[in-house]
Amino acid sequence: GQNIDQPTEMTATEGAIVQINCTYQTSGFNGLFWYQQHAGEAPTFLSYNVLDGLEEKGRFSSFLSRSKGYSYLLLKELQMKDSASYLCAASYILTGGGNKLTFGTGTQLKVEL
Amino acid sequence: GAVVSQHPSRVICKSGTSVKIECRSLDFQATTMFWYRQFPKQSLMLMATSNEGSKATYEQGVEKDKFLINHASLTLSTLTVTSAHPEDSSFYICSATSGGAADTQYFGPGTRLTVL
Repeated sequence: GQNIDQPTEMTATEGAIVQINCTYQTSGFNGLFWYQQHAGEAPTFLSYNVLDGLEEKGRFSSFLSRSKGYSYLLLKELQMKDSASYLCAASYILTGGGNKLTFGTGTQLKVEL
Repeated sequence: GAVVSQHPSRVICKSGTSVKIECRSLDFQATTMFWYRQFPKQSLMLMATSNEGSKATYEQGVEKDKFLINHASLTLSTLTVTSAHPEDSSFYICSATSGGAADTQYFGPGTRLTVL
């Protein structure tokens, strides 16, 4: 199977910057998604990277290096409401067509005062 | 745009009964819908992939006779947990994609199933 690795927990201070890393297996890779999930709720889409480089969207940015099988999510100007689980999900091409997402275990981010 | 609804949001049932969960794409046509389950503090585990009008593709280890999936239209998929047991208690989440270039999956709000 495809292993997605990301840290289990991170803690950061309100107003600071935090980077959440994710590594994945590159065989059949077709793109990298980041989702935010608050406790008891469904994941919400944050970003999608398919080409190498940095994608910026407001306070959130996501980076991808296809050759290294590496991505990170960068959160700036942290707010208390950013406390959530951040899921890294790699998309893989299915032999029969279509794509399939494999999720990491999620990084539980705690933002403190 | 890209709103997915799920019903019910919470269900409590007795062991041995069947429970049906509906997943609807409200403002787009979903060529593919996915069903996941998530245990506390764990990530999403894909159960099955369904395309409108065809049989669902189940992941290894998921019993297709226990978790019945029907994708009757481009906006509706249902998951029926048959003869539910306490170990089936979990958070079930559906997602839908319109099959665009990014194939971004949009998730429903989830269904919390508790089997007594």
